[in-house]
Amino acid sequence: QQQVKQSPQSLIVQKGGISIINCAYENTAFDYFPWYQQFPGKGPALLIAIRPDVSEKKEGRFTISFNKSAKQFSLHIMDSQPGDSATYFCAARATGNQFYFGTGTSLTVIP
Amino acid sequence: EAGVAQSPRYKIIEKRQSVAFWCNPISGHATLYWYQQILGQGPKLLIQFQNNGVVDDSQLPKDRFSAERLKGVDSTLKIQPAKLEDSAVYLCASSPMTVSGNTIYFGEGSWLTVV
Repeated sequence: QQQVKQSPQSLIVQKGGISIINCAYENTAFDYFPWYQQFPGKGPALLIAIRPDVSEKKEGRFTISFNKSAKQFSLHIMDSQPGDSATYFCAARATGNQFYFGTGTSLTVIP
Repeated sequence: EAGVAQSPRYKIIEKRQSVAFWCNPISGHATLYWYQQILGQGPKLLIQFQNNGVVDDSQLPKDRFSAERLKGVDSTLKIQPAKLEDSAVYLCASSPMTVSGNTIYFGEGSWLTVV
């Protein structure tokens, strides 16, 4: 059973455009929602994270929007750049520091 | 601060052979994880240690996979005998033991190809 559902599977965006990746969850005990960025041949690296008592968090061009009632959260990448081309994973943390990951979104930013 | 170290980075073995992966977490991190990432999929937790005790190994195929974390620091993950479907990246990650706001830090992974 997939604890965190992520969409779309792949995304192509023009340089300067907005990339949006969505995730949904069912377990209301999740208490922390990070996003990871993974380049080919590398391990996932923390990009930005949010707790459920906050509806939005922004760090530079990256924003997480969180809708607790809908049990959904999304990553927005503003002014997308070719260097942002990577695979993005959403995740959710349960009690005991257990993390569950989405299936990933492959983002390609076209120059 | 040094990151999570893993070795070997790449391994090719024949099915039914054995393989072992080593992980050294970030200094002071009490929690250590082994994830399996099959190409095109998200990381799947195999086993989680808190110090040298197992917190969760419910998704570890115990008939062929084993892991240990002696002295609460380094860890090894062993596969014996390997199957073709074990071809994946094995990611080690660690996390500090704090109540809130922390996350996990991944190594670069050990790539396994079973032929």
